[in-house]
Amino acid sequence: GAGVSQSPRYKVAKRGQDVALRCDPISGHVSLFWYQQALGQGPEFLTYFQNEAQLDKSGLPSDRFFAERPEGSVSTLKIQRTQQEDSAVYLCASSLEGYEQYFGPGTRLTVT
Amino acid sequence: GDSVTQMEGPVTLSEEAFLTINCTYTATGYPSLFWYVQYPGEGLQLLLKATKADDKGSNKGFEATYRKETTSFHLEKGSVQVSDSAVYFCALRRNSGGSNYKLTFGKGTLLTVNP
Repeated sequence: GAGVSQSPRYKVAKRGQDVALRCDPISGHVSLFWYQQALGQGPEFLTYFQNEAQLDKSGLPSDRFFAERPEGSVSTLKIQRTQQEDSAVYLCASSLEGYEQYFGPGTRLTVT
Repeated sequence: GDSVTQMEGPVTLSEEAFLTINCTYTATGYPSLFWYVQYPGEGLQLLLKATKADDKGSNKGFEATYRKETTSFHLEKGSVQVSDSAVYFCALRRNSGGSNYKLTFGKGTLLTVNP
């Protein structure tokens, strides 16, 4: 079956632009996660949804980062007024509650 | 807070060599431990896991044993193949208490296997 998909796969933004990154989880997966992976580092947790409820946003680095999952399926991570330090790969993962997280291929964001 | 420390790379081996990638962790209580693999251009895939002390996770010839005494979860394979070339991440997840859903990752170890 289809895995987690993310779009776009690559995004180049000029500093100060807003970007929106999309995640389509595996159908039926209740839990959805966003992680940020800087170059040469491991993924770091950003936020967690259970259905449409955002239960943990403690990892979002600033108030420029916003995530939503309005219908409990597709999720969007939005970054306002992008800065160079936002350049990273953004990973989305989904799971049945309490089980293995399945990761998408990621969106590589480059802020110039 | 929780943390994972894994062997710095890159690691370069010849085909059929023995592989060890070290991983140690710091966490409250007894977490579940994981190894993920990231092949070039692909997303993270779960390679193996162990949920309690002395458990051994295994998959595709890779093994790792959850050692509570040394807070370690070292990845091993007896004979690597060129197709094992990838980045390997050690990770933990709490089994109880707060935030028992998010993964905490190490920095990753790049493995290159030459023919």
